[in-house]
Amino acid sequence: GQQLNQSPQSMFIQEGEDVSMNCTSSSIFNTWLWYKQDPGEGPVLLIALYKAGELTSNGRLTAQFGITRKDSFLNISASIPSDVGIYFCAGRRNQAGTALIFGKGTTLSVSS
Amino acid sequence: DVKVTQSSRYLVKRTGEKVFLECVQDMDHENMFWYRQDPGLGLRLIYFSYDVKMKEKGDIPEGYSVSREKKERFSLILESASTNQTSMYLCASSHRASGANVLTFGAGSRLTVL
Repeated sequence: GQQLNQSPQSMFIQEGEDVSMNCTSSSIFNTWLWYKQDPGEGPVLLIALYKAGELTSNGRLTAQFGITRKDSFLNISASIPSDVGIYFCAGRRNQAGTALIFGKGTTLSVSS
Repeated sequence: DVKVTQSSRYLVKRTGEKVFLECVQDMDHENMFWYRQDPGLGLRLIYFSYDVKMKEKGDIPEGYSVSREKKERFSLILESASTNQTSMYLCASSHRASGANVLTFGAGSRLTVL
């Protein structure tokens, strides 16, 4: 099955730094989403994007739906220790009955 | 607080055993999903269901089956567990109106097959 190419695989940053991660696909998606998984928990939805070019913020998080509909990025500004976790991008193609496809995840570590 | 509950957080089974992973949601969601999570591989879809008694194969259905007899319950079955099925299993659900986009996940079931 198709997977999304998510990078970087892991990041080690200092508290207060900004973070950027992205996701690409060879196929067009009509929906892009970003999830975060805290240690020992299931992923939780952060941001959903439904239109090419859309830029959406959720607090210190900003995500964009690429114009080509084949990519998306997530930025986190002024990171804090509770940002630690695994971030997953997810996409959905414009086909009835299809489920989400997830990227392999970006593991974020923040040192204070 | 609405949620998805996975009955077992940790299981240890032996090769060849039959394993049932249970998932219950209390949100009256139509859609339910089973993913497995492995380091470096992300989340991979095993099976999903859009309605009672209905199931669809995901990307990695081999070695697994599912059952959806009631709307709130979606079970994952390993007929004969093997060591390569050692993994974290995540159940999720979503409302039909949101498509398969806004998933609510359970906390996961970590299965070890010896």
